[in-house]
Amino acid sequence: EAGVAQSPRYKIIEKRQSVAFWCNPISGHATLYWYQQILGQGPKLLIQFQNNGVVDDSQLPKDRFSAERLKGVDSTLKIQPAKLEDSAVYLCASSRFQKRDTEAFFGQGTRLTVV
Amino acid sequence: GENVEQHPSTLSVQEGDSAVIKCTYSDSASNYFPWYKQELGKRPQLIIDIRSNVGEKKDQRIAVTLNKTAKHFSLHITETQPEDSAVYFCAASYNFGNEKLTFGTGTRLTIIP
Repeated sequence: EAGVAQSPRYKIIEKRQSVAFWCNPISGHATLYWYQQILGQGPKLLIQFQNNGVVDDSQLPKDRFSAERLKGVDSTLKIQPAKLEDSAVYLCASSRFQKRDTEAFFGQGTRLTVV
Repeated sequence: GENVEQHPSTLSVQEGDSAVIKCTYSDSASNYFPWYKQELGKRPQLIIDIRSNVGEKKDQRIAVTLNKTAKHFSLHITETQPEDSAVYFCAASYNFGNEKLTFGTGTRLTIIP
């Protein structure tokens, strides 16, 4: 089966600029996650979607970050305006949301550098 | 919310020896505990997981143990090989993985040939 696709792989922007990341989950996966992984740390959940509804966005800095999952498939994560501390790898993951099949599969990630 | 602590942050072992990584969690409602391996520049990949209704699970050289009372779980790798070198993350979730996977801070494991 095809994996989780993310683009772009790398992005360098200046602080105060805007940036958007795209994720295409594995076909049939109802749950989609966006994680932020700062260098040397574990992934931190930013937002979790179940189909096109938000399940958890408690750690999403809503003053600058937004995410959507129209039609319950692809998702975009936007940062506007970016800060230096947003430099990180942004990982998208998806899972089936079935009781015995809940493995989260990760994409390759987008490495964001804010200068 | 859930808080997962992981130790040690770095671990070096001789090839062929065993490695143990430990995690503790705070939310007694958590019932799903996966372990992910992340090689340099690559995506995290699931290597083993355990649910709260079992105390131990083994898959070839890898095993995970869970102590629900103490709220800690451990990853054991036996007969380590150079390809085991990577960063390992533990995680905890409830609703058997369908709700908010919270990760530990990671352990960088280096296997010394």
